[in-house]
Amino acid sequence: DAGVIQSPRHEVTEMGQEVTLRCKPISGHNSLFWYRQTMMRGLELLIYFNNNVPIDDSGMPEDRFSAKMPNASFSTLKIQPSEPRDSAVYFCASSPGTYETQYFGPGTRLLVL
Amino acid sequence: QKEVEQDPGPLSVPEGAIVSLNCTYSNSAFQYFMWYRQYSRKGPELLMYTYSSGNKEDGRFTAQVDKSSKYISLFIRDSQPSDSATYLCAALNQGGKLIFGQGTELSVKP
Repeated sequence: DAGVIQSPRHEVTEMGQEVTLRCKPISGHNSLFWYRQTMMRGLELLIYFNNNVPIDDSGMPEDRFSAKMPNASFSTLKIQPSEPRDSAVYFCASSPGTYETQYFGPGTRLLVL
Repeated sequence: QKEVEQDPGPLSVPEGAIVSLNCTYSNSAFQYFMWYRQYSRKGPELLMYTYSSGNKEDGRFTAQVDKSSKYISLFIRDSQPSDSATYLCAALNQGGKLIFGQGTELSVKP
């Protein structure tokens, strides 16, 4: 299996622009997680889906952040408008089920100028 | 207070040393504990997991949980330069969310 696929791997944008991060989970996995990693706050869960349904979005920092999972093989995390404090590495992870091992993608490094 | 606390280091040891990485947690309801390893510019990968208290060994790695003191440890024997990475402890809460520690950056010098 190719593992969790994320795109783009790097994104540089200007404040106020819309940013869309993409994730393809491992085939057959029912749970998908979006995380953000920064030096200050470490790795934080933003939102997770089970069978394409958002289960817990309490980690989404603001209304500027939104996530969708239109089908079992694709999810997006959107930031609109982006701000410099959104600069971080965003990881997508998937697992066979909610309580099972999570497999992380390579991450998207986002820099908002 | 964060639910899972971990000293960020960095920690530098010579090759062959025994490494001890530690975390504490605050929620006594946590039952599953994991250690993830993250190489530079890569995503975290699961190294080991344990359920409740006790030890689990896998090659040079031993994970230990002491629920009475809410303490999680990872020991690495005969450390190698290839072990240089950031090690993240995590606890799984009842809602299925992984709560991560800050991560400890380890450097093993040849």
